Amino acid sequence: NAGVTQTPKFQVLKTGQSMTLQCAQDMNHEYMSWYRQDPGMGLRLIHYSVGAGITDQGEVPNGYNVSRSTTEDFPLRLLSAAPSQTSVYFCASGATYGYTFGSGTRLTVV
Amino acid sequence: AQSVTQPDIHITVSEGASLELRCNYSYGATPYLFWYVQSPGQGLQLLLKYFSGDTLVQGIKGFEAEFKRSQSSFNLRKPSVHWSDAAEYFCAVGGGATNKLIFGTGTLLAVQP
Repeated sequence: NAGVTQTPKFQVLKTGQSMTLQCAQDMNHEYMSWYRQDPGMGLRLIHYSVGAGITDQGEVPNGYNVSRSTTEDFPLRLLSAAPSQTSVYFCASGATYGYTFGSGTRLTVV
Repeated sequence: AQSVTQPDIHITVSEGASLELRCNYSYGATPYLFWYVQSPGQGLQLLLKYFSGDTLVQGIKGFEAEFKRSQSSFNLRKPSVHWSDAAEYFCAVGGGATNKLIFGTGTLLAVQP
């Protein structure tokens, strides 16, 4: 039982490049979400999904896209990376009885 | 809308002293409340959670939290802090039809010898 798996763990992008952060869970959770963590800002919700085919914006959605074609996967896409998107990204799945977090992706945009 | 306020950005306590970290929430229905801890460079670890029932919740590592509906608070406490408790602590509120989880900005705890 792997829980929530995030890839890659580290990534350096140039401004304007695109990339996809991967998130997969094997717990059959309907709810999945993406957060970014910045010093002094806590974890801010980017996008979330309550099931396959259903996504919604969180607190800081600009510059990010998501889709949810399966229950297991919830990828986060950066279409044109900007230095302001340098952050640590966490994926989570679960519900109010308990949330499981991935180990994070440290992204640097230069 | 859901929101969480952690008014203390940084707290320093002496080892062996008691600790209280403050958390206030805004939520339209019965909240599901959580405290997480994060050591430097690490992921999030759940300390405790409140769903319903007894308003005093016991967690791991000797932590407890008390839910006070009248004050919209869920403060975290520990009677005697250890040096290994130095970390960042996050309060979070979840619930509703979407199960969306919203975090506070965190409190960084430093422990003096």
